[in-house]
Amino acid sequence: DAEITQSPRHKITETGRQVTLACHQTWNHNNMFWYRQDLGHGLRLIHYSYGVHDTNKGEVSDGYSVSRSNTEDLPLTLESAASSQTSVYFCASSDLRGQGVQTQYFGPGTRLLVL
Amino acid sequence: GDSVTQMEGPVTLSEEAFLTINCTYTATGYPSLFWYVQYPGEGLQLLLKATKADDKGSNKGFEATYRKETTSFHLEKGSVQVSDSAVYFCAPLFNSGGSNYKLTFGKGTLLTVNP
Repeated sequence: DAEITQSPRHKITETGRQVTLACHQTWNHNNMFWYRQDLGHGLRLIHYSYGVHDTNKGEVSDGYSVSRSNTEDLPLTLESAASSQTSVYFCASSDLRGQGVQTQYFGPGTRLLVL
Repeated sequence: GDSVTQMEGPVTLSEEAFLTINCTYTATGYPSLFWYVQYPGEGLQLLLKATKADDKGSNKGFEATYRKETTSFHLEKGSVQVSDSAVYFCAPLFNSGGSNYKLTFGKGTLLTVNP
């Protein structure tokens, strides 16, 4: 069965370190997304990609970067981790770009703690 | 601008009670509308969706009707079960310009069902 996976599931790091969260999907979807989930804020979009070599900033992109070198993967990098980036991170993917009816499928999440 | 407002929780019900979680949106067009559910410790799953006015989405006993006149997409279930305890997110898919669409999440409503 097609799926979307994230790794690691839990991560503890220190302020200032570079951290990369992995996202891998086997749906063969063109679209991939990264969100963070924080109490009182719901889910907020960090970055997204509509295909290989395409990346775009979301509403809370400062301090994060992504790259898309193939269809299956969209790693999220925290360039210099800050305590404000302690959160739960979700990756999602979807097809049917531009159709206005796309359904996003979510990974299980990564809990990141920045000390 | 486009936005979504979801009933704040937490909501606590007894088993077999009726559930309503309100969701309204503001948009310049007619977005597709989604409800996602997040069970404890898991990622988000699509619960149901509706893509045009008067459509009714349904799944697992839950229903929501796309009401263009009131720009609403309220989630209902006639008889909740303990297993329905989760966080529920309303999420319109707004057009952010051209062929770009952005899924915007409400802040989530925590539902607890007691036996």
